[in-house]
Amino acid sequence: DAGVIQSPRHEVTEMGQEVTLRCKPISGHDYLFWYRQTMMRGLELLIYFNNNVPIDDSGMPEDRFSAKMPNASFSTLKIQPSEPRDSAVYFCASSRQESYGYTFGSGTRLTVV
Amino acid sequence: AQSVTQPDIHITVSEGASLELRCNYSYGATPYLFWYVQSPGQGLQLLLKYFSGDTLVQGIKGFEAEFKRSQSSFNLRKPSVHWSDAAEYFCAVGAMEYGNKLVFGAGTILRVKS
Repeated sequence: DAGVIQSPRHEVTEMGQEVTLRCKPISGHDYLFWYRQTMMRGLELLIYFNNNVPIDDSGMPEDRFSAKMPNASFSTLKIQPSEPRDSAVYFCASSRQESYGYTFGSGTRLTVV
Repeated sequence: AQSVTQPDIHITVSEGASLELRCNYSYGATPYLFWYVQSPGQGLQLLLKYFSGDTLVQGIKGFEAEFKRSQSSFNLRKPSVHWSDAAEYFCAVGAMEYGNKLVFGAGTILRVKS
């Protein structure tokens, strides 16, 4: 199994631009999570899906952030417009309901200048 | 509300010495407990997990953790640390009542000196 695959690994963009982060979960996992990691705030849960349906998006910072999961093998996190304070590492993780332990991707390091 | 506290931001130990990383939780339910490790530039890797049963849990890389309900703790231990153990360690808590959602601690950075 290739694990959770995130792309791109690094993204540098200018303030105001749209950014799309991508995630492919492990096949057979029915939960998908998006986390953001910063020095100041640690790991924050942004949103999670169960069977492609968003369950809890209370961690999404504001309307500039949106996430979709059109099918069981793909999810996107979009920021539009991006701001410098969005600079962080964004992680995707997936799990099976009965296991609870997450498998994390390698993350996308986003820098907004 | 659920919370996880890792009291130590940084810990430095000598190679070959024993290690204990502390984790305390506050949860209004029977908790599921996890320890993850993150190496620089990498994602988090699951070290071990506790759901029920034996309160001493064995994990990968020679780590173990003990669940103590009376102290609301789930401390991570290793009898002899290797230089490759230098990383950041995260404790996390979940519960069936909250679905698959985990709450993570702030992390403890482990430095190993030779």
